[in-house]
Amino acid sequence: AQTVTQSQPEMSVQEAETVTLSCTYDTSESDYYLFWYKQPPSRQMILVIRQEAYKQQNATENRFSVNFQKAAKSFSLKISDSQLGDAAMYFCAYRSAHSGNTPLVFGKGTRLSVIA
Amino acid sequence: GAGVSQSPSNKVTEKGKDVELRCDPISGHTALYWYRQRLGQGLEFLIYFQGNSAPDKSGLPSDRFSAERTGESVSTLTIQRTQQEDSAVYLCASSLGVIAADTQYFGPGTRLTVL
Repeated sequence: AQTVTQSQPEMSVQEAETVTLSCTYDTSESDYYLFWYKQPPSRQMILVIRQEAYKQQNATENRFSVNFQKAAKSFSLKISDSQLGDAAMYFCAYRSAHSGNTPLVFGKGTRLSVIA
Repeated sequence: GAGVSQSPSNKVTEKGKDVELRCDPISGHTALYWYRQRLGQGLEFLIYFQGNSAPDKSGLPSDRFSAERTGESVSTLTIQRTQQEDSAVYLCASSLGVIAADTQYFGPGTRLTVL
């Protein structure tokens, strides 16, 4: 079974600075998707960014970018120019691309605080 | 357009009672998922629906848990004879289709507290 590990339970960053959240995963599959979700206090999970494993180019979405290292099974999230609204729980998730519909497998999350 | 909605937002119940949690997916989404999030934990998969069929029930923690879906619309998650360890946030998600590339959109969850 696939597992996702987030080794940083909590992180903090100064407003306008850059922070990197770590994520590693374990899988024997070659085709899969990786995601970062943000969960603010409202509880609603919001998709931040996604990466297809077959793509070598790292995904970017405005201030959010990833460093995808397939051989190392690492998928870190970089937040640039941090804003107060970025404060939330961040979850890394894996989804197999094989055999039809598969659920997301989540890490335990990293709580990000943004200091004004 | 409207996102995924869930009701109730919060539910407090006594141990041994039955509870029903409701999820309204985004209109037109054929796939629907239920996840459980215990305090300080990530989400754990419970069950998913493809239309009104549930091909994968492997995540349901016990036979006290069941779920149904009406067509490609509302789903209810029922927990019978609730236990304190059932206390968690129950999140529902829907996606347009069933392929892995389809993004799952989440609702705000129902926080269940079993006293």
